[in-house]
Amino acid sequence: KAGVTQTPRYLIKTRGQQVTLSCSPISGHRSVSWYQQTPGQGLQFLFEYFSETQRNKGNFPGRFSGRQFSNSRSEMNVSTLELGDSALYLCASSFGTGDYTFGSGTRLTVV
Amino acid sequence: QKEVEQNSGPLSVPEGAIASLNCTYSDRGSQSFFWYRQYSGKSPELIMFIYSNGDKEDGRFTAQLNKASQYVSLLIRDSQPSDSATYLCAVRTGSGGSYIPTFGRGTSLIVHP
Repeated sequence: KAGVTQTPRYLIKTRGQQVTLSCSPISGHRSVSWYQQTPGQGLQFLFEYFSETQRNKGNFPGRFSGRQFSNSRSEMNVSTLELGDSALYLCASSFGTGDYTFGSGTRLTVV
Repeated sequence: QKEVEQNSGPLSVPEGAIASLNCTYSDRGSQSFFWYRQYSGKSPELIMFIYSNGDKEDGRFTAQLNKASQYVSLLIRDSQPSDSATYLCAVRTGSGGSYIPTFGRGTSLIVHP
């Protein structure tokens, strides 16, 4: 079966710009969660969507937002990019039980 | 602040040995516990999860949970060089459909021939 698909794989943005990342979950998975991974902080939870509703949110500023569509696909948006937002952004999907399957990630570099 | 602590390693074991990876967590209300493996440059992949105290075995892997002592461990029997990776412990806490996962920083495992 197809896995979790994230696009794009790589992005380079300028400080102050905004960016939108996309995630297509495994078919049948209604939960999509987003994570930021950096060498310094490890893997940190951003938010989770379930059936188009944000169910949980991590400790990130309001510049980080997301949404989920009726087909369970999800997007994450980061506005007013800062240098510290450079990271690997991972999307994961599950049936809602926490046994996540991760996508390959989007490597975001802010210059 | 919910915390999940892991020794960063590296943990180096010879091929064929048992690798023991440990994780402690701060929130006594945590309900579910997960082990992920992450190869360098790749995304994490789920190895196994455990909800109840005791041991859970899956092939060469055994997860052990002790809620009273707030630790969870992963044993890898007959370690292979292909097991060399970073192992992430994740703890999920919450209720009523609202669950927050917290990941440890991971333990680097090196299995040498």
